Amino acid sequence: EVLLLESGGELVQPGGSLRLSCDASGFIFSNYAMNWVRQAPGRGLEWVSSISADHETTSYATSVKGRVTVSRDNSKHSLYLQMSSLRPEDTALYYCAKSSGDDILKGDYFDLWGQGTQVTVSS
Amino acid sequence: DIHMTQAPSTLSASVGDTVTISCRASRSISSWLAWYQQKPGKAPKLLMSDASDLESGVPSRFSGSGSGTEFTLTINNLQPDDFATYYCQQYNTFLPYTFGQGTKLELK
Repeated sequence: EVLLLESGGELVQPGGSLRLSCDASGFIFSNYAMNWVRQAPGRGLEWVSSISADHETTSYATSVKGRVTVSRDNSKHSLYLQMSSLRPEDTALYYCAKSSGDDILKGDYFDLWGQGTQVTVSS
Repeated sequence: DIHMTQAPSTLSASVGDTVTISCRASRSISSWLAWYQQKPGKAPKLLMSDASDLESGVPSRFSGSGSGTEFTLTINNLQPDDFATYYCQQYNTFLPYTFGQGTKLELK
């Protein structure tokens, strides 16, 4: 079964750090770019970050640049998002999403999504 | 950034109806547009890419059209399973990917 499973979300205080993980199965993980997309409560979808299949190229939304780092371990079929200096506005459900291709420098859509992991930033 | 605007924000319809959701880009994105369906408490699901290419397994009552800046998602013969929120996403330029604000399709 083709599946993405996120974990690592929790309640954290403002200024805190968190590492999200996404475990992939059912497809050749190393062939595809991967992404993080978030959804604040009752709001729409916001792209957060992307990483190419070979992990050489990354990109970030302006809202998180400098505070998050995306990485992947193709040998473990896993995607990660290291988040620091968290703010209340980072509160959201964070989805891991698979690109249809391997290159993040070309536009792409997301053909597989995980169920999300909840990050809540509050004191 | 390319801004995506969907209309309407909420759409009320009945089973069997045909509905159309609009998505407008702030500048031309050729046909680099995807549509997603999201049900409450669930992850988004890809419906179609390249403005009109239906994803495998998506019912043929869903169709997409448009290019440049104007796009539409049409659902014919609405079924109970279709009531959800729909998002468009542009991928013409990667920096950054942007989504419409969503259209909630609700039962009248």
